[in-house]
Amino acid sequence: DIVMTQTPVSLSVTPGQSASISCKSSQSLLHSDGKTYLNWYLQKPGQSPQLLIYEVSSRFSGVPDKFSGSGSGTDFTLKISRVEAEDVGVYYCMQGRHLPRTFGQGTKVEIK
Amino acid sequence: QVQLQQWGAGLLKPSETLSLTCAVYGGSFSGYYWGWIRQPPGKGLEWIGEVIPSGGTNYKSSLKSRVTISLDTSKNQFSLKLTSVTAADTAVYYCARGGNPANWGSVGRGGFDFWGQGTMVTVSS
Repeated sequence: DIVMTQTPVSLSVTPGQSASISCKSSQSLLHSDGKTYLNWYLQKPGQSPQLLIYEVSSRFSGVPDKFSGSGSGTDFTLKISRVEAEDVGVYYCMQGRHLPRTFGQGTKVEIK
Repeated sequence: QVQLQQWGAGLLKPSETLSLTCAVYGGSFSGYYWGWIRQPPGKGLEWIGEVIPSGGTNYKSSLKSRVTISLDTSKNQFSLKLTSVTAADTAVYYCARGGNPANWGSVGRGGFDFWGQGTMVTVSS
């Protein structure tokens, strides 16, 4: 199975500052169709996960541009700009390139 | 707007069968992948498996001998069955919509864009 490793495990951010989360996969997520299948999700406290980013850097419908994704191959980053209270929760990366689909262990973001 | 509503028994005894159903409202049902993901208390997300438009399935290998995911296209529903449950199967179970392989569109291969509300399933004697 593809192992997804996220760092850091937790993050405390001052409101208005930026935060970055790293996600590394044990194998390349580049598909033969030329696309890379790496998603980012946010699970707010007590809620179901919600899709933020698909295919490394494309924002899902309605997701504000303060969330941005980058990376290629096996190394990926989620950046959250201008962090505010509603951004707290656990962020997960997930690969869809290989079966079984696998998630990172999560990064908990809190506000200072 | 697509909405997923799920239900099923929340308390099981060891060796019993977990059975959950997810109904899809709004949007198209056919042509999409539909998946199940679970989350043990205080832990991360674990993909269980998915059913593809043809009715074929993909499962996590460690669960494959116990899991069945199926479609009921007449009701716009899909279901999860997990046999011989143990305490290790205690988790919140989520149903979710995957992409459409004809056009992976706004979710990409393997991703999930709309999720159910989650069902807490506890296995205890």
